[in-house]
Amino acid sequence: QVQLVQAGAEVKKPGASVKISCTTSGFTFTNYYIHWVRQAPGQGLEWMGIYNPSDDSPTYAQNFQGRVTMTSDTSMSTAYMELNSVRPEDTATYYCARDPSTPPSLDYWGQGTLVTVSS
Amino acid sequence: SYVLTQPPSVSVAPGQTARFTCGGDDIGSKDVHWYQQKPGQAPVLVIYNDSDRPSGIPERFSGSNSGNTATLIISRVEAGDEAEYYCQVWDSDSDGYSIVVFGGGTKLTVL
Repeated sequence: QVQLVQAGAEVKKPGASVKISCTTSGFTFTNYYIHWVRQAPGQGLEWMGIYNPSDDSPTYAQNFQGRVTMTSDTSMSTAYMELNSVRPEDTATYYCARDPSTPPSLDYWGQGTLVTVSS
Repeated sequence: SYVLTQPPSVSVAPGQTARFTCGGDDIGSKDVHWYQQKPGQAPVLVIYNDSDRPSGIPERFSGSNSGNTATLIISRVEAGDEAEYYCQVWDSDSDGYSIVVFGGGTKLTVL
């Protein structure tokens, strides 16, 4: 069955970087896009960007451009999202999600990774 | 940037019908997707392309989209439907790239 399994929680100090993994199974990794979405405590969903593993091409939300990098290891069917220069307001649960493109929706989600930024 | 507007809350009694609206400029020209998120869990896709249900989603969930409003309807509401519901569309940013936009979410309370 389709699974997206994310790494465990992270605690970071302001100014540090965090890299979150999303290991997939049950489908052909390179046939699907991967989205990254975050949710601050008690808040709504915020889209961070989309990544195409087949050609290593990302599109980042303008709010995160210059601070986020999306990559993958196709041999491991794993996607990564790295956020630099984190600040307390980056404290959130970060989700990866699969997009089949047709339809262009987020049809399966990872369980989420809580990132806490605190000095 | 494109804005999706959702009311913060909806309350219905069990067995009644819950309606969730998602407002946006000419949203009827876009495909709308809906997600259910229960506390402490990841979102789940419940409606895609305005009105299609993924496998495993009950027929009680339906959707429509016209003009400036998309609507998610849950018939015969159950206690287990209590959750936050988000609408989502695709739009373009100022550089012409396709981006995802989420509504602010609506909390369903089952009385």
